[in-house]
Amino acid sequence: QVQLVQSGAEVKKPGASVKVSCKVYGSSLTQFSMNWVRQVPGKGLEWMGSFDPEDRETTYAQKFKGRVILTEDTPADTAYMELSSLTSEDTAVYYCTTDGFGSGSYFPGWFDRWGQGTLVTVSS
Amino acid sequence: DILMTQSPDSLAVSLGERATINCKSSQNIFYSSNNKNYLAWYQQKPGQPPKLLIYWASTRQSGVPDRFSGSGSGTDFTLTISSLQAEDVAVYFCQQYWRTPTFGPGTKVEIK
Repeated sequence: QVQLVQSGAEVKKPGASVKVSCKVYGSSLTQFSMNWVRQVPGKGLEWMGSFDPEDRETTYAQKFKGRVILTEDTPADTAYMELSSLTSEDTAVYYCTTDGFGSGSYFPGWFDRWGQGTLVTVSS
Repeated sequence: DILMTQSPDSLAVSLGERATINCKSSQNIFYSSNNKNYLAWYQQKPGQPPKLLIYWASTRQSGVPDRFSGSGSGTDFTLTISSLQAEDVAVYFCQQYWRTPTFGPGTKVEIK
């Protein structure tokens, strides 16, 4: 059974960066296109971007371009999301999630497996 | 980006009764070449990540009870819980994947 296990909660100051990890258990990271979705507490869901293992290309939501970097350590089966220039509006739960289309699609499809979420709090 | 709206914001339904949630997209998300609607539904319980219920607007994810069903086409979609159970109390989101994924704001389902 495939599981996505994320790193623990973070507290950051405005202007700092945060890097969240997502480790895949029960399969290889290369089997999935890993996506990142965030959720401001009590609010809706927001797609941030995806990493395609076939060509190692990233696709980012326009809102986050220039501030987010998605990377992967394939031998460690671990994906990473780094978000910079944090403000209080970035306080949210960040999820890694796999693309139901598998890999190779420019736009992701549905999201079938989810990590447990990582709360990032931005506060001075 | 395609805007997704949902109605109602919340609803209270008696156990065993039907719950109906509506979702509307700002653009047509039906692709005639493959006859598919690019829409998914999720259930989220407090403190948990979303759980995929339905994709292609009406295909149930493996393991999802058959009291959950999806319907609709084009821009208007519906998630129906045919007989509400206590464990169905949650927030439900729709999501389009025709283009850059976007989600609806969610509908909270409670027991009356």
